[in-house]
Amino acid sequence: EAGVTQSPTHLIKTRGQQVTLRCSPISGHTSVYWYQQALGLGLQFLLWYDEGEERNRGNFPPRFSGRQFPNYSSELNVNALELEDSALYLCASSPGTSYGYTFGSGTRLTVV
Amino acid sequence: KNQVEQSPQSLIILEGKNCTLQCNYTVSPFSNLRWYKQDTGRGPVSLTIMTFSENTKSNGRYTATLDADTKQSSLHITASQLSDSASYICVGPDFGNEKLTFGTGTRLTIIP
Repeated sequence: EAGVTQSPTHLIKTRGQQVTLRCSPISGHTSVYWYQQALGLGLQFLLWYDEGEERNRGNFPPRFSGRQFPNYSSELNVNALELEDSALYLCASSPGTSYGYTFGSGTRLTVV
Repeated sequence: KNQVEQSPQSLIILEGKNCTLQCNYTVSPFSNLRWYKQDTGRGPVSLTIMTFSENTKSNGRYTATLDADTKQSSLHITASQLSDSASYICVGPDFGNEKLTFGTGTRLTIIP
């Protein structure tokens, strides 16, 4: 069974640019979660999607947004990138419950 | 505000030795508590999930304990191996939604 896949694995952007990160959940998982992990810090909750709807979001500005597609894959968009957006962005999926929470390997974003 | 605090921040031990990592939480009401292992630059991988009724749970050389009265959990690693070098993250849920509260982790380094 394929795990949670994220793309790209790494990317470098300049300040002010926009970026889109992608996540494919485990087959059968309807919930997708996005987390930000800045260097040396704990994971910070960004967004939760379930059945195509945004169910909850963390304490991040509106320039962080996303969506979930009918096949349950998801995108995270970050506009007007700032240097402090440099982090590992992790996607996780679950079958709609708080158990079975599986993470992808993440996308390392560097903003210069 | 729910918080999860871990200690020590970092730990270095010799290969083959045992170690214990600590987690104190203030999640209320308690639903479940998880331990994850995160290799550098990778997504966290679940080690154990403990419910309120469990006070110990093992996964190979990893044994998690839980004291719901004192709101403390520990992760004990026996006969450490070089591959155990990673960050170990304690996670408590915000009951009623999907926003997990992540500790900042303990960075464990195993030296030969």
